[in-house]
Amino acid sequence: DTAVSQTPKYLVTQMGNDKSIKCEQNLGHDTMYWYKQDSKKFLKIMFSYNNKELIINETVPNRFSPKSPDKAHLNLHINSLELGDSAVYFCASSHSLTDYNEQFFGPGTRLTVL
Amino acid sequence: KQEVTQIPAALSVPEGENLVLNCSFTDSAIYNLQWFRQDPGKGLTSLLLIQSSQREQTSGRLNASLDKSSGRSTLYIAASQPGDSATYLCAVLSGNTPLVFGKGTRLSVIA
Repeated sequence: DTAVSQTPKYLVTQMGNDKSIKCEQNLGHDTMYWYKQDSKKFLKIMFSYNNKELIINETVPNRFSPKSPDKAHLNLHINSLELGDSAVYFCASSHSLTDYNEQFFGPGTRLTVL
Repeated sequence: KQEVTQIPAALSVPEGENLVLNCSFTDSAIYNLQWFRQDPGKGLTSLLLIQSSQREQTSGRLNASLDKSSGRSTLYIAASQPGDSATYLCAVLSGNTPLVFGKGTRLSVIA
């Protein structure tokens, strides 16, 4: 199936740990994104990558580091996890940054920090 | 800074009714507007994308309109069904920022 996929779907971990979330898209898109949906269900952009290059980095703590090994992958690494990091993290992709095309979202990763 | 507001926050209707969800945005200089559906515990499904030059888009029982000058969009759902129950999110693309989302409208269609 052509889609945006994320692993893991659920992640439960202790405060202070380091964890990674992986994202892959097989849509041939150039641009990928990470969004965070908080407990109030509000979705907000974290990062945007175009052709493996960071384009947008909203006010996100530097404990969050995205890594794009190639155009089809955008992974999110989080250091020293805090309780407030608990949220659902969504990866998305679009054809390109400049064509203002539709964004396609992954199923989300529900992160719970204890 | 672009802000997106969705009204109402929650809506409950009997099956078969037609309904309208509203979305407003503060900066009318948008590139496009996208409506999504989110089921509980699931990801987002794109429903309709309206480019800034368009007035409306239709897909099946869904019709989305865009009035850029007044900063408004509506999502019209005809003949609602229980399977339409979900949270509907409106998101706007403008400037150099990726999508800015509203907080959504939680729709319940009662059989």
